[in-house]
Amino acid sequence: NAGVTQTPKFQVLKTGQSMTLQCAQDMNHNSMYWYRQDPGMGLRLIYYSASEGTTDKGEVPNGYNVSRLNKREFSLRLESAAPSQTSVYFCASIRVTVGEFERNQPQHFGDGTRLSIL
Amino acid sequence: KNQVEQSPQSLIILEGKNCTLQCNYTVSPFSNLRWYKQDTGRGPVSLTIMTFSENTKSNGRYTATLDADTKQSSLHITASQLSDSASYICVVRGGYDNRKLIWGLGTSLAVNP
Repeated sequence: NAGVTQTPKFQVLKTGQSMTLQCAQDMNHNSMYWYRQDPGMGLRLIYYSASEGTTDKGEVPNGYNVSRLNKREFSLRLESAAPSQTSVYFCASIRVTVGEFERNQPQHFGDGTRLSIL
Repeated sequence: KNQVEQSPQSLIILEGKNCTLQCNYTVSPFSNLRWYKQDTGRGPVSLTIMTFSENTKSNGRYTATLDADTKQSSLHITASQLSDSASYICVVRGGYDNRKLIWGLGTSLAVNP
């Protein structure tokens, strides 16, 4: 059982290039999230998807787009990479079942994509 | 302003010793408080989630406490092991839409043999 899988693990881009970060979970979770983690700052939410077909902006959405391709997959796209987007990107998911509150469920994280933009 | 502050920033202890990490928050209204463990190069892993009515919760050698009146939490690690070396992050859920997670910067713990 792989949990949350992120690809690639490492990537170096030049300013202005585009790329898509992939995330897939095999736990049948409903909600999925994209975060970035920078030195000296807590994790910051970029976008989230409460269910298949829906996406919402988080705290720092500028410069990013997302796609919830199906229940398993949630991708993050940088259309024109900038040095300020150099970061570690984490994908997370939450299980929500009947009778439980999403707010009390733990997030399950992937191991991140380390992205450097030159 | 909703904030989560953790102390100490870093800590070094000897294997087998106990330690306590602190978390103070100013998030209002409050929904729950979480502790995550993040190994170097890995994603965070949930240790505990505590709601307003819970003041102690254990997960193996990890025990979290919550004082909602003083807005303080602690994570106590008993009989530390080398594998406990990691960053421990306090996260508070709250805010008026009850959806926001406010992440602390973490305490970096090193357990030495």
